[in-house]
Amino acid sequence: AQKVTQAQTEISVVEKEDVTLDCVYETRDTTYYLFWYKQPPSGELVFLIRRNSFDEQNEISGRYSWNFQKSTSSFNFTITASQVVDSAVYFCALSEEGGSNYKLTFGKGTLLTVNP
Amino acid sequence: DTAVSQTPKYLVTQMGNDKSIKCEQNLGHDTMYWYKQDSKKFLKIMFSYNNKELIINETVPNRFSPKSPDKAHLNLHINSLELGDSAVYFCASSQDGANTEAFFGQGTRLTVV
Repeated sequence: AQKVTQAQTEISVVEKEDVTLDCVYETRDTTYYLFWYKQPPSGELVFLIRRNSFDEQNEISGRYSWNFQKSTSSFNFTITASQVVDSAVYFCALSEEGGSNYKLTFGKGTLLTVNP
Repeated sequence: DTAVSQTPKYLVTQMGNDKSIKCEQNLGHDTMYWYKQDSKKFLKIMFSYNNKELIINETVPNRFSPKSPDKAHLNLHINSLELGDSAVYFCASSQDGANTEAFFGQGTRLTVV
């Protein structure tokens, strides 16, 4: 069965600090996909990134970067020089090939608060 | 144009009532979903449809009945509402299965009193 664990329930930082959000996943499939979504206080869910299990290259997009390590089943998300607008709940999610292909399994989310 | 739109955004109703939430996507996607987000923000799949066919029904009570009249629409009807049904319901769509990124509607906050 697939499972996503986000052990950090809440993180609070001061603006301009770097912050890393942890995500650990479990799956029996060799082919799977990992995602991060952002849910700001307004409530919508915003897609941030998708990674497939064959692509372990780290990715950087502006102040955001992602570190995918299959050896530790982790897909961590770092925000550099955090800003107040980064305050949100961040969800890591997993989908598998095969029968579970038609659903995302989400972690419980990490509430990030960036204080001015 | 909103990619995935669901209506209404807020729904307050009494126990025992029947209500519907509508969802439409204009992205040309084949797969649509309903997710439920509880008061602790936990997101869980309820239903998945691909090309109008039900693919996943994740042990949802049969008071919940999804209907997909065409690929662009996936509505959710709930009978005999209970207090525990209070949650935010999100509709989403993706190109083909959950291997591609899903785009979510703005959510419907259902409050059962």
